[in-house]
Amino acid sequence: GQQLNQSPQSMFIQEGEDVSMNCTSSSIFNTWLWYKQDPGEGPVLLIALYKAGELTSNGRLTAQFGITRKDSFLNISASIPSDVGIYFCAGVNYGGSQGNLIFGKGTKLSVKP
Amino acid sequence: NAGVTQTPKFRILKIGQSMTLQCTQDMNHNYMYWYRQDPGMGLKLIYYSVGAGITDKGEVPNGYNVSRSTTEDFPLRLELAAPSQTSVYFCASSYPTGGITEAFFGQGTRLTVV
Repeated sequence: GQQLNQSPQSMFIQEGEDVSMNCTSSSIFNTWLWYKQDPGEGPVLLIALYKAGELTSNGRLTAQFGITRKDSFLNISASIPSDVGIYFCAGVNYGGSQGNLIFGKGTKLSVKP
Repeated sequence: NAGVTQTPKFRILKIGQSMTLQCTQDMNHNYMYWYRQDPGMGLKLIYYSVGAGITDKGEVPNGYNVSRSTTEDFPLRLELAAPSQTSVYFCASSYPTGGITEAFFGQGTRLTVV
């Protein structure tokens, strides 16, 4: 089935640094979603992208839908301790298998104060 | 809106016991999903449903069963619990029409099989 490659697997950064993570696939997607999961909680939607080339911001977070529709990236600027968590990308494909929603394996972010 | 509600939040089962994890959504979403998440790992799809009466297997369906008799409910059944089923289970729903395909998650059920 379709798979997403999410990288990096984990990041250890200093507070105030910028963060960048990305997802790539061999298949195209109609929508890209980015989630954050805090410890002991369910994933929460951060940003949704619906058009190739779209660049969307949500506070210090910026995400882009790749032109080829096979990739997406998420940037976090000026990281703070509460950014700690696991970030997941998800690709959505109308009518695809797996209920049309495919998740990456996650990027675990640790922020040193 | 309550969104996606899962019960119970925690459960300890003995090997061989059975249980049902409940999931309800009040957003009239037609797509619903069950994922499991092992410690430090990503989400693995167990089963999904594209509407009432329709279910299909995901990546790791063995040892589980589902049903979808209504749009709102999507219970996950474990018939003979095994230690390998110790995990955190997440239910999600989405409404992939009109270009909007965002999926929303419940808070999770932490299951331990001993």
